Amino acid sequence: NAGVIQTPRHKVTGKGQEATLWCEPISGHSAVFWYRQTIVQGLEFLTYFRNQAPIDDSGMPKERFSAQMPNQSHSTLKIQSTQPQDSAVYLCASSKTGGGYEQYFGPGTRLTVL
Amino acid sequence: QQQVRQSPQSLTVWEGETAILNCSYEDSTFDYFPWYHQFPGESPALLIAIRPVSNKKEDGRFTIFFNKREKKFSLHIADSQPGDSATYFCAASTGGNYKYVFGAGTRLKVIA
Repeated sequence: NAGVIQTPRHKVTGKGQEATLWCEPISGHSAVFWYRQTIVQGLEFLTYFRNQAPIDDSGMPKERFSAQMPNQSHSTLKIQSTQPQDSAVYLCASSKTGGGYEQYFGPGTRLTVL
Repeated sequence: QQQVRQSPQSLTVWEGETAILNCSYEDSTFDYFPWYHQFPGESPALLIAIRPVSNKKEDGRFTIFFNKREKKFSLHIADSQPGDSATYFCAASTGGNYKYVFGAGTRLKVIA
């Protein structure tokens, strides 16, 4: 069974450009989570979907970040007008629902904003 | 309130010793407590987890001790090996909203 797939693995953007990050959850998992990891802030929750519905986006910076899950096989995180402080590793995780707490992380996308 | 505190920030032990990593929390609605380890250049990987119905969970050399009254839990790594050298994160989540709140991490180094 393939694990969580994230693409691209690395992305470099210029300040002010848009970045779209992709995540494919483990087959059969119906919850998808996005986290961000930096040296300074550690692992931060951004947003999460259950059965494709947005459940909690309390960690998302409101103005430039958005996430979608158009079908059960992929989710996207879009960052508009990227800023240097958005540089981080963006991690996607998936889990089963119905009491399945275990989250399995993808390899991450390292975003560098110049 | 939704914080998980982790200590120490870094820990060095000799091969064969038991490494002890500690976490505490304040939110009494947390009901699931996993530990992840992360090797350089890799993503966090689930190591072991516990729910408050138990005060101890073992998996090989890894044991979680859980104290609900004091809102503390710890990871004990017995017979530490150099291959255990990694950053370890504790986390907590609440049933119904499964997002994790992570601790800041403990960088463990095991010296041969």
